Amino acid sequence: TQLLEQSPQFLSIQEGENLTVYCNSSSVFSSLQWYRQEPGEGPVLLVTVVTGGEVKKLKRLTFQFGDARKDSSLHITAAQPGDTGLYLCAGAIGSGNTGKLIFGQGTTLQVKP
Amino acid sequence: DAGITQSPRHKVTETGTPVTLRCHQTENHRYMYWYRQDPGHGLRLIHYSYGVKDTDKGEVSDGYSVSRSKTEDFLLTLESATSSQTSVYFCAIRSRGTVGNEQFFGPGTRLTVL
Repeated sequence: TQLLEQSPQFLSIQEGENLTVYCNSSSVFSSLQWYRQEPGEGPVLLVTVVTGGEVKKLKRLTFQFGDARKDSSLHITAAQPGDTGLYLCAGAIGSGNTGKLIFGQGTTLQVKP
Repeated sequence: DAGITQSPRHKVTETGTPVTLRCHQTENHRYMYWYRQDPGHGLRLIHYSYGVKDTDKGEVSDGYSVSRSKTEDFLLTLESATSSQTSVYFCAIRSRGTVGNEQFFGPGTRLTVL
């Protein structure tokens, strides 16, 4: 069974602090996505990383895909209350072109003003 | 906005009753997925479809069936609902031409089985 371990599960920080969320697996993924979800809504895609070692930036968010394509991290610089939400990583699995994803357990982030 | 709607948005039902959830998309996407979301588990794939009448099981398919008689609609049925199926259910589509299996989600259906 393929697993994606996401850590930490909960994070409560003050506005202005930096944080990193990790997503780890023993499996190799062809791609990895990061999503953000707010209460009562569906997950919203933030970024997709495809190449080992790839780094993508989205304003204050930096996403990195591990060289071996087994792990990824999300770093937020100077967190703001608007960053509060559930962050999910998801790796592409399965043979062929099914598009199936396996999700990590999620990281609930609370940024206090 | 990937043009995905789910109905109903909320439902309370009793153990043993059948329940059908509907996912509707307006952009002719080939791939559609049903997930359930429970605390501590992220999202888990129930079933998916890769075309009209073409479906396959995901990791938590027991107790669920699906149907796709036309491109725009993907139905999830709980034949006899149990309390363990209380969850939030999300439908997703895979956008054409994307790299990396990117999926776009509907707003979810909160199901409570008493």
